[in-house]
Amino acid sequence: SYELTQPPSVSVSPGQTASITCSGDKLGDKYTCWFQQKPGQSPVLVIYQDSKRPSGIPERFSGSNSGNTATLTISGTQAMDEADYYCQAWDSSFVVFGGGTKLTVL
Amino acid sequence: QLQLQESGPGLVKPSETLSLTCTVSGGSISSSSYYWGWIRQPPGKGLEWIGSIYYSGSTYYNPSLKSRVTISVDTSKNQFCLKLSSVTAADTAVYYCARQKWLGGPDAFDIWGQGTMVTVSS
Repeated sequence: SYELTQPPSVSVSPGQTASITCSGDKLGDKYTCWFQQKPGQSPVLVIYQDSKRPSGIPERFSGSNSGNTATLTISGTQAMDEADYYCQAWDSSFVVFGGGTKLTVL
Repeated sequence: QLQLQESGPGLVKPSETLSLTCTVSGGSISSSSYYWGWIRQPPGKGLEWIGSIYYSGSTYYNPSLKSRVTISVDTSKNQFCLKLSSVTAADTAVYYCARQKWLGGPDAFDIWGQGTMVTVSS
């Protein structure tokens, strides 16, 4: 079965750039999306089709996908961006989520 | 504004069947551009896709759960339902329903319900 691997945790200082990776076999050949989840809340889509931002998502969120790795980048990270982030892709019409990355802003 | 709301029992006994309903409001479940999915999240853990359904009834399921899962749709009520049989404590989780974009294949889940906690315990 297809697997997506994320680092368990990433730390960033306020105002700096945070990068969260998601790795999978030939992931660059598939569309990847990213979700933000804060404690006690439902996931929120922040990036879809590798690099598109849904309406209402700040421009500081961006995405890329190439080779075996997709990356979510948060520029000028704010305290409100502290959350769990999940990548998602699909393989043979089956949806797969990464294990999630806890982003700490300190 | 489209909204999704999960409903169903919060407590299910081991070996029984978990049944949940997702009601879609503010839009039609019969849209040709979307599938409708179920995702779950055990306490303190990550997201797991369960399965998705089109308004016509076409379904696809997570292979690891397929033998126990049935997802159905009722377009007259703008609802879709999840049934998970032979549950164990490992099925204890927050269950979310969500709208899934379809672009010739599955795309992102762009709108989510608030989630409902289901505990499997005697």
